[in-house]
Parts: sequence; C-alpha cells; structure tokens
Amino acid sequence: NAGVMQNPRHLVRRRGQEARLRCSPMKGHSHVYWYRQLPEEGLKFMVYLQKENIIDESGMPKERFSAEFPKEGPSILRIQQVVRGDSAAYFCASSNSAATGELFFGEGSRLTVL
Amino acid sequence: GQQVMQIPQYQHVQEGEDFTTYCNSSTTLSNIQWYKQRPGGHPVFLIQLVKSGEVKKQKRLTFQFGEAKKNSSLHITATQTTDVGTYFCAENTGTASKLTFGTGTRLQVTL
Repeated sequence: NAGVMQNPRHLVRRRGQEARLRCSPMKGHSHVYWYRQLPEEGLKFMVYLQKENIIDESGMPKERFSAEFPKEGPSILRIQQVVRGDSAAYFCASSNSAATGELFFGEGSRLTVL
Repeated sequence: GQQVMQIPQYQHVQEGEDFTTYCNSSTTLSNIQWYKQRPGGHPVFLIQLVKSGEVKKQKRLTFQFGEAKKNSSLHITATQTTDVGTYFCAENTGTASKLTFGTGTRLQVTL
C-alpha cells in the first residue's frame, strides 16, 4: 500500500511567488493534517481537514496561507507571496478515523524561499 | 496555551549506553504518542500510551506514562547507531487525531 504521498519534495521560490504543496493521504484515509517544521525545531500544527471541509485551522497564519481537500484529488496547502520566513519543511499526515490514534506522515515538502 | 516540554534537548551517547528522554505537560493528558524522526526524514509513529502508569516495551525501547498522566518517558537500553534521530512526544488535544508535539530530544550515538 502506498503511504502518504507529498509533492514536490523540494521547492524553491523567490520572495513574492506562490507555493503549492500537494498531499495524497493513505488509501482509505479521509483525515488530513498539515504540520510545519522550521530547521532544528519541532512540528507545529497548521490545519486539519476532512474531504471538502476544514475542521480546525487554528494553526494557520491569518494571511497568505490556505488549505483545501477537495472531493477528488489531493489536499493542497497554498502559500501566497512567500517570504523568507516561510522556508521550512511542510509535513502532511493522514489518519483513517476521527478517533485519536496514530498519524501517518508523508516525507515532507521542503520549501526554500530565496 | 498547552505546552509539552521535553528534556533534554540534545544528548550525545556512546554506543551501548542507555538514553532517556522525558516529556512533561502542564495539564493532564488523555493519551500520549511517541514519534521518531531520522535526520532529513519524517516522523514515524512508535507507540501510544493511554492508561495511567502504563508501561510498554518494544525491544530495547521502554515507554512509560506517569500515574498522574502529566508526564511520559522513553528509555532506550544499549543504544545503537540506528537509534540516531529526534524523539518527539505528542499529545492529543481533543480534536480527532490533532497532535501537539513536544520540543523533541535529539539523540546522537557514536561508536
């Protein structure tokens, strides 16, 4: 079974450009979580989505960041007008239920803003 | 807000020595999970603890949940170079599987 798939693995953007990060959850999983990890730091929760719904976006910056998980296709984390401080690893994780349990993480997308 | 602190931040051991990382919360936890992240890698689930005072073992790894459910520990016996990485505890904050991660302990093992 394929695990959580994220792409691109590495993305370089100049300040002011847009970054789009994609995440396909594990087969059968309908719950998706996005986390951000700054260099040498821990993982910070950003947003929790189910199909077509944002359940919890308490960790998302108020501006420039958005996320979606459409009925068809992968979840997308979109960062508009990137700044150097957005440089980080963005991890997607999925789970198969609303009950508390293990998260399965993708390999991450590493964004570098020049 | 809720904070999950881990100590130490970093530990360097010789292969064969033991290692312990501690996770402390300011509030009572419903459950706690542990993850390992290799350098340049992604977090991988190790275990979940639910019951007060629970102890679980996986080969050389021993996980413990405090009686008051406010702290947890991970102990590795006789470390190996394959144990290198950062170990994170993570707590559920009540919304499905949304996790709040601890600050992490980075383990370095040398021969």
